[in-house]
Amino acid sequence: QKEVEQDPGPLSVPEGAIVSLNCTYSNSAFQYFMWYRQYSRKGPELLMYTYSSGNKEDGRFTAQVDKSSKYISLFIRDSQPSDSATYLCAMSLSYNFNKFYFGSGTKLNVKP
Amino acid sequence: GAGVSQSPSNKVTEKGKDVELRCDPISGHTALYWYRQRLGQGLEFLIYFQGNSAPDKSGLPSDRFSAERTGESVSTLTIQRTQQEDSAVYLCASSLRREEETQYFGPGTRLLVL
Repeated sequence: QKEVEQDPGPLSVPEGAIVSLNCTYSNSAFQYFMWYRQYSRKGPELLMYTYSSGNKEDGRFTAQVDKSSKYISLFIRDSQPSDSATYLCAMSLSYNFNKFYFGSGTKLNVKP
Repeated sequence: GAGVSQSPSNKVTEKGKDVELRCDPISGHTALYWYRQRLGQGLEFLIYFQGNSAPDKSGLPSDRFSAERTGESVSTLTIQRTQQEDSAVYLCASSLRREEETQYFGPGTRLLVL
């Protein structure tokens, strides 16, 4: 079983839609949860970072962590064509970020 | 300012040859990471450097893979006797220090082993 599972998509939505991206994980010791956005032929860039359970909002993006269900989500409101990219979740066990565990990524396409 | 750079951007090699991939992290960043990303898959952790030391080499797939870092700056990932399954994008990331959750990624080196 993979440490982190993520639906690869592709997910295709119309412009303006609310997008929900999700990951599940198996290791209950994960404490730090991150979402990265990766445009084609580019390296990933950090979008959101949360610690333990709860929600975090940044503009049109909301990250949600449910540790009891081992489930994390990223919501994108008012999606734009420029949001079209692959979204990767990542998580870490400890404050010393020696190692990150990544999901396989969900490819999102926002149609104008 | 300058971000993380990697070279070459693309590399095509024949099975059995050795390849060397280079990463130039952001100046002043003490932590450096190497990842492998196979087509349609997530990032697979390979190795992590704190300064010039690699305390965790557990992610290296086999003894054909090695990495070094010098001057707390440039890092090279070497793959000896390349195999077709080594074909992937190799990504490098750096962060200011180990306790920093924000990693800055380079554009990657696309390796194709024929």
